[in-house]
Amino acid sequence: DAGVTQSPTHLIKTRGQQVTLRCSPKSGHDTVSWYQQALGQGPQFIFQYYEEEERQRGNFPDRFSGHQFPNYSSELNVNALLLGDSALYLCASSLRLAGADTQYFGPGTRLTVL
Amino acid sequence: AQTVTQSQPEMSVQEAETVTLSCTYDTSESDYYLFWYKQPPSRQMILVIRQEAYKQQNATENRFSVNFQKAAKSFSLKISDSQLGDAAMYFCAACLRAAGNKLTFGGGTRVLVKP
Repeated sequence: DAGVTQSPTHLIKTRGQQVTLRCSPKSGHDTVSWYQQALGQGPQFIFQYYEEEERQRGNFPDRFSGHQFPNYSSELNVNALLLGDSALYLCASSLRLAGADTQYFGPGTRLTVL
Repeated sequence: AQTVTQSQPEMSVQEAETVTLSCTYDTSESDYYLFWYKQPPSRQMILVIRQEAYKQQNATENRFSVNFQKAAKSFSLKISDSQLGDAAMYFCAACLRAAGNKLTFGGGTRVLVKP
């Protein structure tokens, strides 16, 4: 049973650039959520995708956008990168019909903005 | 809105001993779920235990158990017979059913296990 996978593992970008992070959910899951975890802090909710639509959004600017594909995989895009965007980006998957179902996390993508 | 607070930045425990991590939360909702996640240096967030607010019985999972005090909005995690592999960051998180599947995390507690 494949778990949640994310790519790439690490990424280095410069200010002003754009980045795309990818996530494949756990087998059987249809909902993907993205979180940002700054160093030494707990994860912060960015947004959630279900049926290829953004269903919920946290307190993040429009520079953060996403997409979900028919196979339930998802992308997180960040435009006009700032130094403060440096963080670990975590993807989590769950099953929508289960309600407040347990979310299973991927290994994360470490983004460094120089 | 909901908030989750972990007041202990770091806890140290001797191998084979017991340690308890504290977590408090604040919500006006009645239907919610609480979680403890473990994040080792490998960074992957691993589910430790889950508690449904409507259940009075405290959840247990092998050496891990919780003390859920709904009126006090407290949700502590007890790790019994601590092992070296338990060393990690532990995060308490809450999820409101009405708010969908969005997790709100605390700031984390680092657990050190001494051999």
